[in-house]
Amino acid sequence: DQQVKQNSPSLSVQEGRISILNCDYTNSMFDYFLWYKKYPAEGPTFLISISSIKDKNEDGRFTVFLNKSAKHLSLHIVPSQPGDSAVYFCAASARYGGSQGNLIFGKGTKLSVKP
Amino acid sequence: GAGVSQSPRYKVAKRGQDVALRCDPISGHVSLFWYQQALGQGPEFLTYFQNEAQLDKSGLPSDRFFAERPEGSVSTLKIQRTQQEDSAVYLCASSPRGINEKLFFGSGTQLSVL
Repeated sequence: DQQVKQNSPSLSVQEGRISILNCDYTNSMFDYFLWYKKYPAEGPTFLISISSIKDKNEDGRFTVFLNKSAKHLSLHIVPSQPGDSAVYFCAASARYGGSQGNLIFGKGTKLSVKP
Repeated sequence: GAGVSQSPRYKVAKRGQDVALRCDPISGHVSLFWYQQALGQGPEFLTYFQNEAQLDKSGLPSDRFFAERPEGSVSTLKIQRTQQEDSAVYLCASSPRGINEKLFFGSGTQLSVL
């Protein structure tokens, strides 16, 4: 039973346009959410995070939105660049729950940004 | 080193063989995690260390999997009597303090069991 779901395996966007990657979760104990970016043959690299006490966090071209009532978060990339082409993983953690806070990952969404 | 280092980068094992995967975390990082990533899936938690103490091993799939971090820095993940279903990328990650922080991942060891 997947606790973190990324229902779109892939997404293709034109350079300069907005990329929106979505993530849903089922565990109401999750209180910390992260996005990781992964290039082929490399490990995931941290992109941006958000705590459950916020509904938005922005870092340059990247913004993460959290809708706790819907158990949904999204990553917006504006403007998209060809170098953003990678697999994006959504991850969640229950920092103050009983799981020791280890990260639960979705299956990832492969973003392709076309020039 | 500048980042998390894992070796070997690739490992091919015959079914039934034992393997050992090494992780060098970022110097001074307290927490160390092992994750398993099967093809087309996200990373799945295996085990977690805080310094030399293994605080959570709930994700280890069987007693053939064993991890250690005896001096609180380098860690080794050992898989005994490998099976084909063990084929995956094994990722190591570390973080500076506790568990409530973003993790820094290594490039992983790709294990293929034939």
